[in-house]
Amino acid sequence: NAGVMQNPRHLVRRRGQEARLRCSPMKGHSHVYWYRQLPEEGLKFMVYLQKENIIDESGMPKERFSAEFPKEGPSILRIQQVVRGDSAAYFCASSPRGPSSGNTIYFGEGSWLTVV
Amino acid sequence: GNSVTQMEGPVTLSEEAFLTINCTYTATGYPSLFWYVQYPGEGLQLLLKATKADDKGSNKGFEATYRKETTSFHLEKGSVQVSDSAVYFCALSDLSNGGSEKLVFGKGTKLTVNP
Repeated sequence: NAGVMQNPRHLVRRRGQEARLRCSPMKGHSHVYWYRQLPEEGLKFMVYLQKENIIDESGMPKERFSAEFPKEGPSILRIQQVVRGDSAAYFCASSPRGPSSGNTIYFGEGSWLTVV
Repeated sequence: GNSVTQMEGPVTLSEEAFLTINCTYTATGYPSLFWYVQYPGEGLQLLLKATKADDKGSNKGFEATYRKETTSFHLEKGSVQVSDSAVYFCALSDLSNGGSEKLVFGKGTKLTVNP
């Protein structure tokens, strides 16, 4: 059973370009989370999605950031008009079911975005 | 709101030394507690977890006990190895009062074990 797959692993974008990060959850998982890790910081929650629905986007910046998890295909985190402050590692995680006490969330290996 | 505070790093130890990484939390309800490990250039891996007070999570020689009275979840290992060198993150999720399952992380503690 393959783990959570993220691509690209490393992405370089110039300021003003768009970045698209993809996440395929583990087989059988329909719940996806995105986290951002800034240098020397812990992970910060961004968004929680189920298939075709955004459940909690309280951690998403108000502008330029969007996320989707379509019925078919991977979840996409999209950052428009990137700025240097967007440089970070973006981690996707998935779980097999909705919130429950102690539910294990599995992380992907991350996508490192560098904005130059 | 919910938060996690863990000891500042970096921590440098010799092989076979005893390890403690302190973690305390603040939560409005009854959280589940986790330790994740991140090896260089990799994603996070769940190391251990505990879902209620007095539970002890353990894995690969690491242990942590959920202490409600001190709101703590300290990570310990009796004898570290060079291969334990990584960044360790303490985290909680709090589903009570309708909270979502999102994890709240500490800032991480970098551990280096020298031979």
